[in-house]
Amino acid sequence: DVKVTQSSRYLVKRTGEKVFLECVQDMDHENMFWYRQDPGLGLRLIYFSYDVKMKEKGDIPEGYSVSREKKERFSLILESASTNQTSMYLCASSRGGVARDTQYFGPGTRLTVL
Amino acid sequence: AQKITQTQPGMFVQEKEAVTLDCTYDTSDPSYGLFWYKQPSSGEMIFLIYQGSYDQQNATEGRYSLNFQKARKSANLVISASQLGDSAMYFCAMRGPLNRDDKIIFGKGTRLHILP
Repeated sequence: DVKVTQSSRYLVKRTGEKVFLECVQDMDHENMFWYRQDPGLGLRLIYFSYDVKMKEKGDIPEGYSVSREKKERFSLILESASTNQTSMYLCASSRGGVARDTQYFGPGTRLTVL
Repeated sequence: AQKITQTQPGMFVQEKEAVTLDCTYDTSDPSYGLFWYKQPSSGEMIFLIYQGSYDQQNATEGRYSLNFQKARKSANLVISASQLGDSAMYFCAMRGPLNRDDKIIFGKGTRLHILP
């Protein structure tokens, strides 16, 4: 079974803090993704990565950065957290190259920025 | 540009009835894939079913089937004999041609409530 884990289920931070969200997958997947989910907006892609040290911006990268130093780990960084970054953050991974291959999701991190 | 539209923000259905969740999409690519995911209150996204644009038959997975109408760009999810455990958020999603990238775009979701 594919397993995608995220470092925290719930996180509370203060405005201006640097926040790290960690994601680890155990299936040697090439691709990893970070989404944020807000009510009424669905899932929106923040960043994705096709390989170690490779990253590409998604639809809403502003205020975020990412790091992928090892294949199994993809980190999302909020350099200076703001209240409008309060959201549910979902990490996903996929093998890539197979049309019907789904993305596998972690359990999500619900981040509150005060 | 690709787009996914789910027009039903919420639905209430009696247990054991069939449910149809609507999804329309827009793309100019001839090759694409369509997905449905379920998200229970626990938050984890669960893959339900996949339909490829060149698949000749509608996809089925247990109680889930996908009513794929290519000319109308419609990919509705049908859940037969609904159960209380089907109460969740449901997302329709689309991936473009594989030679481009592996990104998936999501609709805004439909919240399904199954009534006892």
